[in-house]
Amino acid sequence: AQTVTQSQPEMSVQEAETVTLSCTYDTSESDYYLFWYKQPPSRQMILVIRQEAYKQQNATENRFSVNFQKAAKSFSLKISDSQLGDAAMYFCAYITSPAGGTSYGKLTFGQGTILTVHP
Amino acid sequence: DTGVSQDPRHKITKRGQNVTFRCDPISEHNRLYWYRQTLGQGPEFLTYFQNEAQLEKSRLLSDRFSAERPKGSFSTLEIQRTEQGDSAMYLCASSPRDRRNTIYFGEGSWLTVV
Repeated sequence: AQTVTQSQPEMSVQEAETVTLSCTYDTSESDYYLFWYKQPPSRQMILVIRQEAYKQQNATENRFSVNFQKAAKSFSLKISDSQLGDAAMYFCAYITSPAGGTSYGKLTFGQGTILTVHP
Repeated sequence: DTGVSQDPRHKITKRGQNVTFRCDPISEHNRLYWYRQTLGQGPEFLTYFQNEAQLEKSRLLSDRFSAERPKGSFSTLEIQRTEQGDSAMYLCASSPRDRRNTIYFGEGSWLTVV
């Protein structure tokens, strides 16, 4: 079974600085997708960034970037120039590729990391 | 694109009562998912539909839980004989046919069983 582990229950960062959130996962699949979702206090889960396992290049979305280490099964999120609006719970998640058949669509989430941004 | 809509947003019910949640996915999204999230935890997969077909159910979905998507559009999640352990946020999500790895979540339905 796939598992996703976020070892940092809480992190904090000063506004305008950089913070990195850690995530490791365990899978026997060779093709899959990894995600970081943000869940602010309003509770709606918002997709931050997505990485396809077959792509070696790390995904980047504006101030958000990932460090994807496939061999180490590590997928960290770096937030640059942190803003107050970045404060939220962040979840790392995994999904099998479309070739995964009927299991496709089942996101497996980590436990989450609460990010606090100090002004 | 109006987003995934869930109703009601909050529900307080007495133990033993039945509750039903409704989810309207994004228009033309053929896949619809239900997840459950308890405080301080990540969401856990419950079930998903491709059009009207329920393709997978988690072991978390006991026989008191039933989900339907009769016409391949909106979905309902019913919990019968609620228990205090059912108190959680029930999240609905959907994904489009051509980008199945992009899953959009609704704001969730909070259930409190007293």
